[in-house]
Amino acid sequence: EVQLVESGGGLVKPGGSLRLSCAASGFAFSDYSMNWVRQAPGKGLEWVSSISSRSRYIYYADSVKGRFTISRDNTKNSLYLQLNSLRAEDTAVYYCARHDELGILAFDYWGQGTLVTVSS
Amino acid sequence: DIQMTQSPSTLSASVGDRVTITCRASQSISSWLAWYQQRPGKAPKLLIYQASTLGSGVPSRFSGSGSATEFTLTIRSLQPEDFATYYCQQYKSLWTFGQGTKVEIK
Repeated sequence: EVQLVESGGGLVKPGGSLRLSCAASGFAFSDYSMNWVRQAPGKGLEWVSSISSRSRYIYYADSVKGRFTISRDNTKNSLYLQLNSLRAEDTAVYYCARHDELGILAFDYWGQGTLVTVSS
Repeated sequence: DIQMTQSPSTLSASVGDRVTITCRASQSISSWLAWYQQRPGKAPKLLIYQASTLGSGVPSRFSGSGSATEFTLTIRSLQPEDFATYYCQQYKSLWTFGQGTKVEIK
């Protein structure tokens, strides 16, 4: 069974940092690209960042470029998102999601999310 | 950047109704379009990919159609568990979601 489990969320002050993790199981993690998608309270979905299976290709939304860093460790079946210079508008549930290397299947599995709250 | 626009934003319907949601892309995305369902407090679930291919385990009352810039998601006979928010997503050039359509009970 495919499982994605996020962790690392919490309350942080504006300007602070946080590192999110996503533990994957039930599939060949190193064969898949991975993504972070966020959802502010009561709002829609926003794609944040993507990393290819071997970390060769990395993409960011303009809203987080220069502040967030995506990475992965295929030996640990884990995905990460380093969040720096956090702002109130970064408050959201952060989901990790996978997609196949060809990108045909879109985001076919999602984790349950971890909440990041940026507030003083 | 490719923008995605869904309509309507909210839809009121009854169990058994046929429901259609529209998604428009700001430029052609061929068939690189997915639909997701999100129930309150839950993660999104993939319903349809490549505009019309049903995801794994998705009931056949869901269907998708369209290409280029105009797409539709149809629920043939609405069931109680279908009251949720639906999002389209383009994945031709990076990834962009529509703003969502909430299907609520009439």
